[in-house]
Amino acid sequence: KNQVEQSPQSLIILEGKNCTLQCNYTVSPFSNLRWYKQDTGRGPVSLTIMTFSENTKSNGRYTATLDADTKQSSLHITASQLSDSASYICVVGYNTNAGKSTFGDGTTLTVKP
Amino acid sequence: NAGVTQTPKFQVLKTGQSMTLQCAQDMNHNSMYWYRQDPGMGLRLIYYSASEGTTDKGEVPNGYNVSRLNKREFSLRLESAAPSQTSVYFCASNQDRVAEQYFGPGTRLTVT
Repeated sequence: KNQVEQSPQSLIILEGKNCTLQCNYTVSPFSNLRWYKQDTGRGPVSLTIMTFSENTKSNGRYTATLDADTKQSSLHITASQLSDSASYICVVGYNTNAGKSTFGDGTTLTVKP
Repeated sequence: NAGVTQTPKFQVLKTGQSMTLQCAQDMNHNSMYWYRQDPGMGLRLIYYSASEGTTDKGEVPNGYNVSRLNKREFSLRLESAAPSQTSVYFCASNQDRVAEQYFGPGTRLTVT
């Protein structure tokens, strides 16, 4: 069964600090891995998308890494801001022809002043 | 360029009532999707349309029907609403099935 597990479930950090969110998956055949940010009451917004051959991708203060051998990904947030408070969702695409995806349950990040 | 729009934003239904959720995108994307998000859970795919004129079931299609009216519009219909369908519904689109998806703002549906 295709699964995506994210950890931690929730995280509280102080403004200006760095943090790393984890995503482990058992999805086959792997197509791509995406990280989304979802603010409360809004739809998810794409942060990064990586294919099998990519092991790192950055978007401003967000850096995602992918280890396809161990089926793990991480999202590193640098110099956190209050506006980073949101849910971060890891999504793994599989079965390229059908374009199907499995969503993780998300990590809720709270940045405090 | 509004991206992905959804109507209505909020809806309360009684058990057994029917309704249609509307979704439109102005990015000329080929693929469109309907998801539901329950508290503390990941998004689950209800139906998707890989291209105009085609629709396919996702992970949780029971109790729903869809119509890909044209390239821009993809609607989701609940024929006989049940309390288990209380959820937040998101529509999304992308250029092709492996590209990043763009999500709408969601429809918050409560079935009493």
